[in-house]
Amino acid sequence: GENVEQHPSTLSVQEGDSAVIKCTYSDSASNYFPWYKQELGKGPQLIIDIRSNVGEKKDQRIAVTLNKTAKHFSLHITETQPEDSAVYFCAASKNNYGQNFVFGPGTRLSVLP
Amino acid sequence: DAGITQSPRHKVTETGTPVTLRCHQTENHRYMYWYRQDPGHGLRLIHYSYGVKDTDKGEVSDGYSVSRSKTEDFLLTLESATSSQTSVYFCAIIYSEVYNEQFFGPGTRLTVL
Repeated sequence: GENVEQHPSTLSVQEGDSAVIKCTYSDSASNYFPWYKQELGKGPQLIIDIRSNVGEKKDQRIAVTLNKTAKHFSLHITETQPEDSAVYFCAASKNNYGQNFVFGPGTRLSVLP
Repeated sequence: DAGITQSPRHKVTETGTPVTLRCHQTENHRYMYWYRQDPGHGLRLIHYSYGVKDTDKGEVSDGYSVSRSKTEDFLLTLESATSSQTSVYFCAIIYSEVYNEQFFGPGTRLTVL
């Protein structure tokens, strides 16, 4: 089955710097890769996603890149702000529902003022 | 939050007692999921449903059962709670079957003493 690894497990950056979180997946049939942000005491919130037919997607300060050959995808946050501090999860999925979302273990991002 | 509510939000119970958690959605989504979240493990799928009375097991289903008698409600039952089931439980739905986007509820924190 699918296996998703995520690095680093913790990341501290200075406010205004960039943060990069990387995930690798094992199943070449996976074709949908969402990223979630989870703040303390809340459920995961979908912040950006990418599908296997594109290599990069941007939404304001966040972007995601996908390398299908190497089976890895990354979340990039630019101009980090204290409110970006949270736990970020990546996931990989095949577009056939059911038990197909496999999550990485998470990265705790701290943005230091 | 895609119209997802979970109840109760917090519960403390004793080993051996039955516990039922409820997930309620207001937007008629077909797919619903139960996950548990534990430190170092990310989100792991317990059970999912693809319609009324249609359910299937996920990665960590042992000790859990589910029922879906109405589209809007997906119930997770621990028949005899154990301390290893202390966790945060999240319900999720597939918001768009075209795009496979998964959205999460606010979670239930369950403590089994």
